[in-house]
Amino acid sequence: QLHLQESGPGLVTPSETLSLTCTVSGGSVSSSSYYWVWIRQPPGMGLEWIGSFYSSGSTYYNPSLKSRVTTSVDTSKNQFSLKLSSVTAADTALYFCASARFTGGSPSWGQGILVTVSS
Amino acid sequence: DIRMTQSPSSLSASVGDRVTITCRASQNIGDHLNWYQQKPGKAPKLLIYGASSLQSGVPSGFSGSGSGTDFTLTISSLQPEDFATYYCQQSFSTTWTFGQGTKVEI
Repeated sequence: QLHLQESGPGLVTPSETLSLTCTVSGGSVSSSSYYWVWIRQPPGMGLEWIGSFYSSGSTYYNPSLKSRVTTSVDTSKNQFSLKLSSVTAADTALYFCASARFTGGSPSWGQGILVTVSS
Repeated sequence: DIRMTQSPSSLSASVGDRVTITCRASQNIGDHLNWYQQKPGKAPKLLIYGASSLQSGVPSGFSGSGSGTDFTLTISSLQPEDFATYYCQQSFSTTWTFGQGTKVEI
């Protein structure tokens, strides 16, 4: 049973870079059985996929965010990370990390971390 | 991008009701359609994957059907704990998209 936990600052200044980390337990970020995703949810709104990355090194990002998003993985810590640059108030959201199966669906999610963009 | 359109956006129902939520894709996605339940402030919970496969641990009152562009989530007999928001999501494309959500209210 995978367990995921997001961590990072809850407050980010406009125009700065939002940085979040997802720590995985119960499995390996290097596993070829899963791939890893970031999803966010602005207050009172729906779910928005940010991006996915695979153990092969392939990455895919939401076209609307692609120019500002980077992801990375630290296998030694069993973590993967998200960076979103040049943030504005529109990036205020609950950010989730999750695993995804090739057979379909994301059965394991972190609890989410609320990130507010404000000066 | 593949656009996912859910209907209705919200519905009112009572305990014991049969509830049906539909999701339409803007192009053929085969059976690469997943359904999630979300309660306020919580992470989404996977209910159905591959359009019709019940995720382990999910009550059998939930079922999914459809393929291609039209999909349905059915709750056979609404329970108090089922009042939540439901999202469909396509994983046909490497760029995922979600429906806008359907809020099931008392």
